[in-house]
Amino acid sequence: TQLLEQSPQFLSIQEGENLTVYCNSSSVFSSLQWYRQEPGEGPVLLVTVVTGGEVKKLKRLTFQFGDARKDSSLHITAAQPGDTGLYLCAGGNTGNQFYFGTGTSLTVIP
Amino acid sequence: DTGVSQNPRHKITKRGQNVTFRCDPISEHNRLYWYRQTLGQGPEFLTYFQNEAQLEKSRLLSDRFSAERPKGSFSTLEIQRTEQGDSAMYLCASSLTQGASGYTFGSGTRLTVV
Repeated sequence: TQLLEQSPQFLSIQEGENLTVYCNSSSVFSSLQWYRQEPGEGPVLLVTVVTGGEVKKLKRLTFQFGDARKDSSLHITAAQPGDTGLYLCAGGNTGNQFYFGTGTSLTVIP
Repeated sequence: DTGVSQNPRHKITKRGQNVTFRCDPISEHNRLYWYRQTLGQGPEFLTYFQNEAQLEKSRLLSDRFSAERPKGSFSTLEIQRTEQGDSAMYLCASSLTQGASGYTFGSGTRLTVV
C-alpha cells in the first residue's frame, strides 16, 4: 500500500527550465526524505526534513516539508540533463520503516 | 567503506525454482532492510532486522519468502517456488538505529522469473 502519492508521475522538460515535484499524503510523518534513483541502481538519499515548514536547499534543489507534515515538494531550478532520474519521497515515523511514494520520473532534454 | 553490496546483480530463473540473494550492509549500521520494487513504482517494504533480530515483516512477505541475518552482519533473502509475479528489483538498505539519518541502498538484485 502506497501511502504517499507523487505528482506528476512523468515529467519531460528542456534543459534550463524549472520544475516542481509534489509528494502528498493523508498521514502525518515525523520525517520525510527525498531520494533520486537512476536506472538499474538503488535510490540515493538527497535530503531529510523533520520540522513542519522546513525548507532545505541543496545547490539547485529546494525541498520543503509542509506545515502539517503531510506533504512535501521538491523544486529544481535550471534543470540539467544530469538531473534525469526517478525522484522518490519517503515518509517515516517513530516506527521502523519508511513508506515510499509512487515516484516521479524526470527527463531533462539537452 | 564500500557501501551496501548486493549479489547477484541479475538473476534469471525458471518458475518453481528457489533463489537466494545476499546483502552486505555498511559494517557499522545496525539496521538492515529488504524492499521490493517493480517497474514504475516506489520500493515496497518487505522486512527489516536490527542486528540479528528480524523485527518486522510485511504482509507482502508470503510464506515462500524467508530472510535471515546470522550474526547481525550480512543478510540473505530466499524465495522458494518462484512465480512470475516475483519478478522485480530486490533492494537492500542499511541504516544506523536512528532511521532519520536515511537509508543507504545497494544497487539491487534484478530477478526475472520465466
